[in-house]
Amino acid sequence: SSELTQDPAVSVALGQTVRITCQGDTLGSYYASWYQQKPGQAPVLVVYGKNNRPSGISDRFSGSTSGNTASLTITGAQAEDEADYYCNSRDSSGDLVVFGGGTKVTVL
Amino acid sequence: QLQLQESGPGLVKPSETLSLTCTVSGDSISRSLYYWAWIRQPPGKGLEWIGSIHYTGRTSDNPSLKSRVIMSVDTSKNQFSLKMSSVTAADTAVYYCAREQEDFYGSGTSYNLYFDYWGQGTLLTVSS
Repeated sequence: SSELTQDPAVSVALGQTVRITCQGDTLGSYYASWYQQKPGQAPVLVVYGKNNRPSGISDRFSGSTSGNTASLTITGAQAEDEADYYCNSRDSSGDLVVFGGGTKVTVL
Repeated sequence: QLQLQESGPGLVKPSETLSLTCTVSGDSISRSLYYWAWIRQPPGKGLEWIGSIHYTGRTSDNPSLKSRVIMSVDTSKNQFSLKMSSVTAADTAVYYCAREQEDFYGSGTSYNLYFDYWGQGTLLTVSS
């Protein structure tokens, strides 16, 4: 079982803001990284570290952490943001890598 | 631009050993900053980290795979590889290779790990 817990699904109206959360004990020590995956495609890194975006990733995506919960916020959600989103970090031993179970984001 | 490309047989019989290779282009696999990882995704399910390898040969792998995994690196070909023994239908998945980066405080304590480049993935089916 994953040490990172995500809500299975969330929906957002077009143009509105949605927050996806990732909960885990290690997130007090490690930042979560976030990936977007569209059907039939490989995951794409969208946020890492305190709140860093790789080149080419829209500034609609932002990350934050509070206690043991990391969040990915999509501000002004667009139709193309409809995808599965995964968080990852290290496990409690610090030796292994874990992923959250993923959150399916639907843009209405 | 860094690119990763997985290659493999597509179909493996139960109890056999799967072998996958990831070819890296656009940068050297021997850069000490990075590890190189294998991640899989069963159909309709989430991502599972299999393991990671440094060009020096240092590895870390997921204990849930019960030591069935062997990873290796070939710096002359800029490739790294995965072998997984005693496969079953539960190993059917899309297998991705990815570059792993990790950030450290000055004290050497890690505070962030992420996969910034991924291959397109290859579907491996275990079936007789």
